[in-house]
Amino acid sequence: DAMVIQNPRYQVTQFGKPVTLSCSQTLNHNVMYWYQQKSSQAPKLLFHYYDKDFNNEADTPDNFQSRRPNTSFCFLDIRSPGLGDAAMYSCATSRDVGGDSPLHFGNGTRLTVT
Amino acid sequence: GESVGLHLPTLSVQEGDNSIINCAYSNSASDYFIWYKQESGKGPQFIIDIRSNMDKRQGQRVTVLLNKTVKHLSLQIAATQPGDSAVYFCAESGGSNYKLTFGKGTLLTVNP
Repeated sequence: DAMVIQNPRYQVTQFGKPVTLSCSQTLNHNVMYWYQQKSSQAPKLLFHYYDKDFNNEADTPDNFQSRRPNTSFCFLDIRSPGLGDAAMYSCATSRDVGGDSPLHFGNGTRLTVT
Repeated sequence: GESVGLHLPTLSVQEGDNSIINCAYSNSASDYFIWYKQESGKGPQFIIDIRSNMDKRQGQRVTVLLNKTVKHLSLQIAATQPGDSAVYFCAESGGSNYKLTFGKGTLLTVNP
């Protein structure tokens, strides 16, 4: 059974039209992450939540925001998607940060911007 | 649309052969390493991990070797099967960087 669930699997949005991607987890993990992955590239961390504490990566554009209303759910909001934001967006969780806490990934949402 | 990504290193093997996928890392303070497998259209899947106090760890059909002297990590897959075809990523964390940093992936293709 999937433990990190992302919806939808495929999302199409128009240039500049806000879009929200969803992630839920049944692992009760403290940490939730959002990664962006473009074709043939490694996942790139956008931000993560440790419980309710939000941690943004320095190079994450302001266009990307996140919400974590409770332990189980985390959302990625893209305020004004550009063509360059088309990518696979993966949510991941871990029990804790650092060693001995591997990330568990969902199957991702592939975002297309038209 | 999506920008064109970099070409992945590729490894092509025959079914039944052993595969070795290599990864170099740069942070000498890294003390935790993971290998992930990513099949087409899916998220990365945890395969095996190793801490820096070990130089070898074995799982089912997979072995991870860590050489801290040259900052090199490898994943060995025994008796490679078509279902092993995927992109494999190494990832590291440690020192002041508690977050995982992913390396460049390797595309493994298993020929029947």
